[in-house]
Amino acid sequence: DAKTTQPPSMDCAEGRAANLPCNHSTISGNEYVYWYRQIHSQGPQYIIHGLKNNETNEMASLIITEDRKSSTLILPHATLRDTAVYYCIVRVPNSGTYKYIFGTGTRLKVLA
Amino acid sequence: NAGVMQNPRHLVRRRGQEARLRCSPMKGHSHVYWYRQLPEEGLKFMVYLQKENIIDESGMPKERFSAEFPKEGPSILRIQQVVRGDSAAYFCASSLTGISAGTTDGYTFGSGTRLTVV
Repeated sequence: DAKTTQPPSMDCAEGRAANLPCNHSTISGNEYVYWYRQIHSQGPQYIIHGLKNNETNEMASLIITEDRKSSTLILPHATLRDTAVYYCIVRVPNSGTYKYIFGTGTRLKVLA
Repeated sequence: NAGVMQNPRHLVRRRGQEARLRCSPMKGHSHVYWYRQLPEEGLKFMVYLQKENIIDESGMPKERFSAEFPKEGPSILRIQQVVRGDSAAYFCASSLTGISAGTTDGYTFGSGTRLTVV
């Protein structure tokens, strides 16, 4: 069962910031939050991950609340190519490695 | 530096036939994961393999499905006697290390194999 909950869909105007929320209220202290996105029916693409500090890379920023029960992925200037399903995932230790448990994600539509 | 390679991209099988899906992980990656995605749904974990070993197959159906990752060659997901309900996209991912290394490297996914059972 997914350990995260996300809104099923969101719209964002092209050029504006897209803020995608995620709740992970049962996250443990050593579990990371990962974000992936899936464009059309391609394979999921890694975006960013974090533990407790805010993170930024060339694709996005990740804001994690102090209690770590929720996070927000920010695409600072959304383009039409950012239209995709965005998955927030808590990485769970399993059998010597990690298991990613995907939820149903947020379908982001960037509007021209 | 090729990514995770899956083939075929599309596979059509008649009910009762066998489907073989192949996955070549990124160079140097020894951990392979298979996921299944039904239409309009998220990815569901099926099986995790290291070279020559199945580590976790908790998400794989007990019958008709099997997976291997031999010492040489790609990982294979095999579905025997396919049924219409097996129609889905099957994604493979690989990673460099396991938990013992304490790393946070993420998975790299392939482009998937879309299986259609007619």
